[in-house]
Amino acid sequence: AQSVTQLGSHVSVSEGALVLLRCNYSSSVPPYLFWYVQYPNQGLQLLLKYTSAATLVKGINGFEAEFKKSETSFHLTKPSAHMSDAAEYFCAVSAFGGGSQGNLIFGKGTKLSVKP
Amino acid sequence: GAVVSQHPSWVICKSGTSVKIECRSLDFQATTMFWYRQFPKQSLMLMATSNEGSKATYEQGVEKDKFLINHASLTLSTLTVTSAHPEDSSFYICSAPLQEGSGELFFGEGSRLTVL
Repeated sequence: AQSVTQLGSHVSVSEGALVLLRCNYSSSVPPYLFWYVQYPNQGLQLLLKYTSAATLVKGINGFEAEFKKSETSFHLTKPSAHMSDAAEYFCAVSAFGGGSQGNLIFGKGTKLSVKP
Repeated sequence: GAVVSQHPSWVICKSGTSVKIECRSLDFQATTMFWYRQFPKQSLMLMATSNEGSKATYEQGVEKDKFLINHASLTLSTLTVTSAHPEDSSFYICSAPLQEGSGELFFGEGSRLTVL
């Protein structure tokens, strides 16, 4: 069975500072991993995804994540935070792993606040 | 990218009434759609998998008679909350894969239901 753990329900950074949102996963099969962002009262928007190709994945808005199998981690980073990055971020694993069309298992989310 | 749209975005209803939420894939066909429920400040929980032309598959603990799902066409799935009660108030989000087997889901904007 797959699961996702996001460390820290709330992260606060200053504008221009490094953003690091942590995600650890558990999967019995090679995982597909995702990061989604949710703005207030909106659905989810895909930031980036790992699908067994390059371990360093670059996404939209300057975000990237590195898949580390040995650490079962998929942490999300951005070198310099912008005020517009303030949102809720969800890490997710494909429920059936690999290339299945299966649904996603989500972490509990991390709310990112950016201080001016 | 693929577009999934939900309607209505907001709905307020009286206790005991039924509410229908539509989920449409605007520029692609989806034989499968997923319905999630999100409680305030919590993650998304899968409610059911909607299958075009057949019965939906419900997750454990989700009342199929209360949350009726119909996937009438390759671009439309509906969720009907029957005899709604205040505890049904939540944010409901649908999603669909652009490509079967890709593991990536596209999400609707979400529908916020408030039951008085």
